[in-house]
Amino acid sequence: RKEVEQDPGPFNVPEGATVAFNCTYSNSASQSFFWYRQDCRKEPKLLMSVYSSGNEDGRFTAQLNRASQYISLLIRDSKLSDSATYLCVVNRAGGFKTIFGAGTRLFVKA
Amino acid sequence: GAVVSQHPSWVICKSGTSVKIECRSLDFQATTMFWYRQFPKQSLMLMATSNEGSKATYEQGVEKDKFLINHASLTLSTLTVTSAHPEDSSFYICSAARTDYGYTFGSGTRLTIV
Repeated sequence: RKEVEQDPGPFNVPEGATVAFNCTYSNSASQSFFWYRQDCRKEPKLLMSVYSSGNEDGRFTAQLNRASQYISLLIRDSKLSDSATYLCVVNRAGGFKTIFGAGTRLFVKA
Repeated sequence: GAVVSQHPSWVICKSGTSVKIECRSLDFQATTMFWYRQFPKQSLMLMATSNEGSKATYEQGVEKDKFLINHASLTLSTLTVTSAHPEDSSFYICSAARTDYGYTFGSGTRLTIV
């Protein structure tokens, strides 16, 4: 079993739709959690950190459930420009070692 | 914001040559940098953790004699792919960690060995 697992998708949604991604992690001692966005043939870029209390940034909402060991990302009012691969990233306890999920591909269509 | 510069952005080399990739933190000091490799349609795979002034820590299955990492200063880490072969062709990305910015990535190096 992979340490960080994501549904690879792809998710095909129309503009304006709400879409949610989930990510599960197996190491209960994991400390930090992030969502990154990666466009085709580009480097990943930080979308948002994920906090236990949940956090929101515009149309994006991230949630962390430590008891169930999963992280979610909700995108509301999808835009064409949201089309990308979304990477769930987990930081192992005790250092900066990061584990990436395989990514979930999102296609937003007009 | 934190900026990490990676060079070159792409390179094509003949089989058997060695290729050096540089990763620089431009506006902050990075005691720890990370090197990843990404094959098409796959996720980033951590290859090694580069620590300034000490030996790099390699992930299981990554040959340390093939992928030489040097982190001689607080702003520069280099990855050298020695005696590269076509199967080493991939997208190599570095990143540096900052507690306030999370992880900042370089723009990546697309390596093609022919």
